[in-house]
Amino acid sequence: GENVEQHPSTLSVQEGDSAVIKCTYSDSASNYFPWYKQELGKRPQLIIDIRSNVGEKKDQRIAVTLNKTAKHFSLHITETQPEDSAVYFCAASSNTGNQFYFGTGTSLTVIP
Amino acid sequence: EAGVAQSPRYKIIEKRQSVAFWCNPISGHATLYWYQQILGQGPKLLIQFQNNGVVDDSQLPKDRFSAERLKGVDSTLKIQPAKLEDSAVYLCASSWVGVGTEAFFGQGTRLTVV
Repeated sequence: GENVEQHPSTLSVQEGDSAVIKCTYSDSASNYFPWYKQELGKRPQLIIDIRSNVGEKKDQRIAVTLNKTAKHFSLHITETQPEDSAVYFCAASSNTGNQFYFGTGTSLTVIP
Repeated sequence: EAGVAQSPRYKIIEKRQSVAFWCNPISGHATLYWYQQILGQGPKLLIQFQNNGVVDDSQLPKDRFSAERLKGVDSTLKIQPAKLEDSAVYLCASSWVGVGTEAFFGQGTRLTVV
């Protein structure tokens, strides 16, 4: 089955700086890569996703890049704000059944 | 649209007892997932349904866990008997049928086994 690895496990940045979270996946059949944000005690919520036919996608301060050859994808948050503090999960899904396999999460702290 | 509903929100049981969780997905979502999220870890897929059929239950500990989705809508996940290591948040999610469709999560049920 799919194995998704995520780094770093914790990340602290100053407000206004950028944050980058990286994930790798093992199954070359994976073709959909969502990123979820989970605030303490709340449900995971989708913040951005990318499909394998696209190399980069941007939504305001958030961007995701995908390198299919290397099997890795990254989340980039620019101009970080305190409300960006949360746990972020990457996931990979294959075209065989839409199962989602999650990374271990990155706890992001934005220091005011 | 209304979100994924789960109940109960919290449950504390003793080891070897049984427990059941309920999930009502977003209306029209044929695909339903149950995930186990242990503190500090990412969600781990336990079982995936499409309508009332099982798509993937390869990571479900079938000796103690069971799940059903009899009418293709609501689903229940049961643990019997519970072990200490089952303490986790159990998340239900649903999505439209198809590859690359967003999964919407419920609030989860936090289970503590003592």
